[in-house]
Amino acid sequence: DAKTTQPPSMDCAEGRAANLPCNHSTISGNEYVYWYRQIHSQGPQYIIHGLKNNETNEMASLIITEDRKSSTLILPHATLRDTAVYYCIVRVRSSNTGKLIFGQGTTLQVKP
Amino acid sequence: GAVVSQHPSWVICKSGTSVKIECRSLDFQATTMFWYRQFPKQSLMLMATSNEGSKATYEQGVEKDKFLINHASLTLSTLTVTSAHPEDSSFYICSARDAASTDTQYFGPGTRLTVL
Repeated sequence: DAKTTQPPSMDCAEGRAANLPCNHSTISGNEYVYWYRQIHSQGPQYIIHGLKNNETNEMASLIITEDRKSSTLILPHATLRDTAVYYCIVRVRSSNTGKLIFGQGTTLQVKP
Repeated sequence: GAVVSQHPSWVICKSGTSVKIECRSLDFQATTMFWYRQFPKQSLMLMATSNEGSKATYEQGVEKDKFLINHASLTLSTLTVTSAHPEDSSFYICSARDAASTDTQYFGPGTRLTVL
């Protein structure tokens, strides 16, 4: 599975949009981009995933560049409860293993 | 949404004893479950992949005789830490793969193991 690169930390003001970037320049054509977040001392929470089209759900939006070498997770109106470590992971969907390999992620601090 | 539970949420044991952690998918069947370990201020590290009805596949460097995994049903996987030592103290997290619908992995809340 391709590796990803994320900034180690970011700050965001409460109520503003949080834009978290992820580089995955070696992504293969059949690899999806997944985003999870982990709030302190809890298990990771699934946020969203996509292949090449932009995706939106009740939690966030995922913008994937046309060449698929990078993506951005957007939290439209960040709250203090969105403070967490955000992980961008690429993997082949429906592969035999389907395992997720976590990098260091981005620690997002939402400030009042 | 898909829910995965773990039991217990925390456990304290004496060195040399064995501890069993359960992972359950509550509203979907999971042919594949995964076990992770997380040390303080570090990311999750995959330990093993558990397939229902077959032997688990361990990641490099993970001792299969120390971390026993059983996946006897489509909703339950167990991790047993045998002869636990203080260096095994960690946060253990499982995930279950919902292959039938979204092929997304959902994680349990984690189990905090402290070995005295």
